[in-house]
Amino acid sequence: DAGITQSPRHKVTETGTPVTLRCHQTENHRYMYWYRQDPGHGLRLIHYSYGVKDTDKGEVSDGYSVSRSKTEDFLLTLESATSSQTSVYFCAIRSLAGVLDTQYFGPGTRLTVL
Amino acid sequence: KNEVEQSPQNLTAQEGEFITINCSYSVGISALHWLQQHPGGGIVSLFMLSSGKKKHGRLIATINIQEKHSSLHITASHPRDSAVYICAALNTGNQFYFGTGTSLTVIP
Repeated sequence: DAGITQSPRHKVTETGTPVTLRCHQTENHRYMYWYRQDPGHGLRLIHYSYGVKDTDKGEVSDGYSVSRSKTEDFLLTLESATSSQTSVYFCAIRSLAGVLDTQYFGPGTRLTVL
Repeated sequence: KNEVEQSPQNLTAQEGEFITINCSYSVGISALHWLQQHPGGGIVSLFMLSSGKKKHGRLIATINIQEKHSSLHITASHPRDSAVYICAALNTGNQFYFGTGTSLTVIP
């Protein structure tokens, strides 16, 4: 699992409140990703990071911001949560160790916005 | 329009059958990633390939770059193979685009 943890694992919040999800890795990987998974859509990229303070938008970035001040932590913030942001959020890292190029996923965070 | 299309969406097989899941993509890619997601939700990487074929146990993945197509084969399928299989295309900008998954059920 490449030492990836996500917190919280479950959260219920109300519309309009800010929410921050945390992804933590222990193996110093450069690339980190935030995805959301919804029925009928599969996994979709929200934001990704290619190093400390280096981030870029994915295909569904509206309403989300990210920060990466340390290699090991990648934070996803919903500035003002909406019901359409109810989803399962996965963090992933991309491992480029030697000839192995793959992604490892965190366990996911189930977010419900009421 | 989804850049990555998988077929079939759902698949039911008898234990022991040979299974094929297909993935077509329209973006230019540097690699194609096959993933497995069990009902509990965890996502596991199976293969990342940019050409030819890779094999791991009973799983085989192939890719044809010219035809923009990849297949995942499972030989001698088993009920524990029941899961959702997802393909993802890695573009040259280091972004992954995912198919919506193939839900496989293997019946004993």
